[in-house]
Amino acid sequence: GQQVMQIPQYQHVQEGEDFTTYCNSSTTLSNIQWYKQRPGGHPVFLIQLVKSGEVKKQKRLTFQFGEAKKNSSLHITATQTTDVGTYFCAGFLVGGNQFYFGTGTSLTVIP
Amino acid sequence: DVKVTQSSRYLVKRTGEKVFLECVQDMDHENMFWYRQDPGLGLRLIYFSYDVKMKEKGDIPEGYSVSREKKERFSLILESASTSQTSMYLCASSLFIQGYGYTFGSGTRLTVV
Repeated sequence: GQQVMQIPQYQHVQEGEDFTTYCNSSTTLSNIQWYKQRPGGHPVFLIQLVKSGEVKKQKRLTFQFGEAKKNSSLHITATQTTDVGTYFCAGFLVGGNQFYFGTGTSLTVIP
Repeated sequence: DVKVTQSSRYLVKRTGEKVFLECVQDMDHENMFWYRQDPGLGLRLIYFSYDVKMKEKGDIPEGYSVSREKKERFSLILESASTSQTSMYLCASSLFIQGYGYTFGSGTRLTVV
C-alpha cells in the first residue's frame, strides 16, 4: 500500500493565486524531501526537512514539517506559469531503508 | 553539477525479450536507485545499491534484477519483458541513502509490445 499519501492529485489555479499540496504518513518520518518535475522532465530535488515543526522558505515556496513528523506541506504564494509541474514529497520512515514517494500533485497555472 | 545519464530516452521491446537499462553517474556517489513512474502511482523503488556489488530490493523487485560492477554504473535488467513493465524508468544517485537530495536521470520510457 501507499506509505505516503499526497493530496490533491491535480490543482488548477489562476496565475497569481496561491497553491498548497499536502503530504501525510501514518508512520513517523525521520525526514521528508520535496521534488518538482516539469512536464516531460525528471524530478528535481527542492528541499529536505528534518526537524519537528520545521519551516523553510525558498522565494515564494514555503515548506513545513508537522510537529508529529507525520505530515508536510508545500505552499506557493502568487503562482507563476513557471511553477507548472508535478510536486512530489518523499518521506523516509523511521527505521526504514528507503524514501517513499507520494503520488504527486500536478499543478496547472492558467495565465 | 551531478549528472546522471540514462542510455536511452525511448525504448520499444518485444514481450519475452531480455532488456538492459543503463545508468551512469559522474559524482562518485555511493548510492544508486532504480524507480519506475506510473500515472497515479508516483515513483516506486525497484532496487537500490549502496556500494559496488551490493544491492537491496525495493518495493517492486519482481521481474527485475540489477547489476553494479563499477561505482558509477547501475544497470536494471528485465529478465523477460512483459507488457506490465511498460513504464517510465528513472535512475537516481545520492551521496547518502537519506539526508541528501537525490539526482535523477532524464528517464527511459520503455514500451513492451
